[in-house]
Amino acid sequence: DIVMTQSPDSLAVSLGERATINCKSSQSVTDSSNNRNYLAWYQQKPGQPPKLLIYWASTRQSGVPDRFSGSGSLTDFTLTINGLQAEDVAVYYCQQYYSAPPTTFGGGTKVEIK
Amino acid sequence: EVQLVESGGVVVQPGGSLRLSCAASGFPFDDYTMHWVRHLPGKGLEWVSLITWDGATTYYADSVKGRFTISRDNSNNSLYLQMNSLRTEDTAFYYCAKDFDTGTNYYLDVWGRGTTVTVSS
Repeated sequence: DIVMTQSPDSLAVSLGERATINCKSSQSVTDSSNNRNYLAWYQQKPGQPPKLLIYWASTRQSGVPDRFSGSGSLTDFTLTINGLQAEDVAVYYCQQYYSAPPTTFGGGTKVEIK
Repeated sequence: EVQLVESGGVVVQPGGSLRLSCAASGFPFDDYTMHWVRHLPGKGLEWVSLITWDGATTYYADSVKGRFTISRDNSNNSLYLQMNSLRTEDTAFYYCAKDFDTGTNYYLDVWGRGTTVTVSS
């Protein structure tokens, strides 16, 4: 199974500043035949289920604010929140679906306000 | 409104059995692959199982294979997870979730609010 490792475990960012979350896979999740990155990002606020933010590493789900962006390829991916808002306080998870089943998730990164 | 509502989570003894249910509404349930994902206490998310739209294909995480059975009733827009031989490490918050599009994509765009399963003596 592909192991997903996120860093940092938590970070505190001032309102309006940038938050950067990293996700590393134990093997490539990029399909060279179609140049697609089989990676998604989710946001989970306290007491709520996960919410899909991004898939194919950089495609925002409908309704997701454009301050959220995803990038990366092969084994290294990043979720960036530009201009952090109070409502962005949450735990963020990456997920690979290149080698599935099983699909696997990272351990999560908790974002707080500094 | 697209909605998934789980039920059936309780406290059960090790070795016991339990069936979780998930009621779907607001979308053509029989068009979509459905998943169960669990959130382990103090840990992250773990994918548990999936079932294709027609129920013909199922997959399981190694940690539950042979003990859990996923099923669906398209006539009642319902998803199920039969959990047998429960272990303490199955204690978790269980979500049902909808696959993003027709086919099996594995990224999940609709989640229920979850139900708690506690395995304890």
